Amino acid sequence: DQQVKQNSPSLSVQEGRISILNCDYTNSMFDYFLWYKKYPAEGPTFLISISSIKDKNEDGRFTVFLNKSAKHLSLHIVPSQPGDSAVYFCAASEGSGTYKYIFGTGTRLKVLA
Amino acid sequence: NAGVTQTPKFQVLKTGQSMTLQCAQDMNHEYMSWYRQDPGMGLRLIHYSVGAGITDQGEVPNGYNVSRSTTEDFPLRLLSAAPSQTSVYFCASSQLLGGGNTIYFGEGSWLTVV
Repeated sequence: DQQVKQNSPSLSVQEGRISILNCDYTNSMFDYFLWYKKYPAEGPTFLISISSIKDKNEDGRFTVFLNKSAKHLSLHIVPSQPGDSAVYFCAASEGSGTYKYIFGTGTRLKVLA
Repeated sequence: NAGVTQTPKFQVLKTGQSMTLQCAQDMNHEYMSWYRQDPGMGLRLIHYSVGAGITDQGEVPNGYNVSRSTTEDFPLRLLSAAPSQTSVYFCASSQLLGGGNTIYFGEGSWLTVV
């Protein structure tokens, strides 16, 4: 049973526009969420995170929104750049001593120049 | 800045052979873990450890063993390789500060079992 789901396997966006990547989770005990970016033949790299006590976190062009009642989070990239083309994974952890980070299946973003 | 180092980067095994994927981190992180990445399946947690001498199972532990004798090292052993274990393996580490910490990944180990 997939506890963290990314239902869109791929997304194409024009350069300069907004990219919105979505993630849903089923475990209400998750209290910390992260987004990772992965280029081919490289390890995932950390992008941005959000704690369940917040509903928004911003870092430059990247903003993560959390809707706990809907068990949904989204990553907004504005403006999108060709270098943002990568696979994006969302991850969740219960945090309170379990330290199990569960990842989604990933969304491949392609930013078109 | 070594961070998380995995070896080997590429390996081809025959069915039934055993091998160990090595992982070392130089950040004094308590938490270490192994993931495998497969098409359409994302990153799945195999085993993890919250300190030397402490390990636990993740989502897909069958066919793999781990041990944590030092803070720095967290090897992953394939006992009897099967074609289903063909995958890309990532080691990751993190501090433990009450949860909610960034995890850092190695560059990956590509394993093919024939």
